[in-house]
Amino acid sequence: NAGVTQTPKFRILKIGQSMTLQCAQDMNHNYMYWYRQDPGMGLKLIYYSVGAGITDKGEVPNGYNVSRSTTEDFPLRLELAAPSQTSVYFCASSYSREVYEQYFGPGTRLTVT
Amino acid sequence: DAKTTQPTSMDCAEGRAANLPCNHSTISGNEYVYWYRQIHSQGPQYIIHGLKNNETNEMASLIITEDRKSSTLILPHATLRDTAVYYCIALITGWAGSYQLTFGKGTKLSVIP
Repeated sequence: NAGVTQTPKFRILKIGQSMTLQCAQDMNHNYMYWYRQDPGMGLKLIYYSVGAGITDKGEVPNGYNVSRSTTEDFPLRLELAAPSQTSVYFCASSYSREVYEQYFGPGTRLTVT
Repeated sequence: DAKTTQPTSMDCAEGRAANLPCNHSTISGNEYVYWYRQIHSQGPQYIIHGLKNNETNEMASLIITEDRKSSTLILPHATLRDTAVYYCIALITGWAGSYQLTFGKGTKLSVIP
């Protein structure tokens, strides 16, 4: 199993540009999550999904959108990039709601200038 | 979720036990203590969790005081690969609890050769 994969690994965006961060998992997990981690800080939940077609907001959803058309994929869309969105983005998945079962991808490092 | 307090940094000699403390004096009766770690530039990794009793797995041991106001994560034989930031979290999980992993600053453990 590849686990949780994320692309791209790095990206530089100009203010106002848009992009999609890709996340995929091959563990047949129902639950998927997007977190962001600012330099020197902890994780903050952006969006999560409990299954295909079902998504909900986390702590910091503004400026982002998600979709979940399949069990495997959970892309995160940034519509109008702002410098405040400079961060490392982690995707995670889990079989259940149990926190200890969250498996993380390697992250996407995004810089908005 | 209860607030947790951890030392900012610790050193440990390679091969020795690393004891990482965490204070959670306001923890409620149904909040678990979770430990995660994050090796530089990687996604977080689950280590162990517990409610009241001491717990051990292949990675570490978790010692929770009888009053549950503090706990200690023990890595019995630290290696250089254990150099990471370690996060202690107190939260309710499962159907009654949260999806979200919220990390504070954590303890940066440096394992010294």
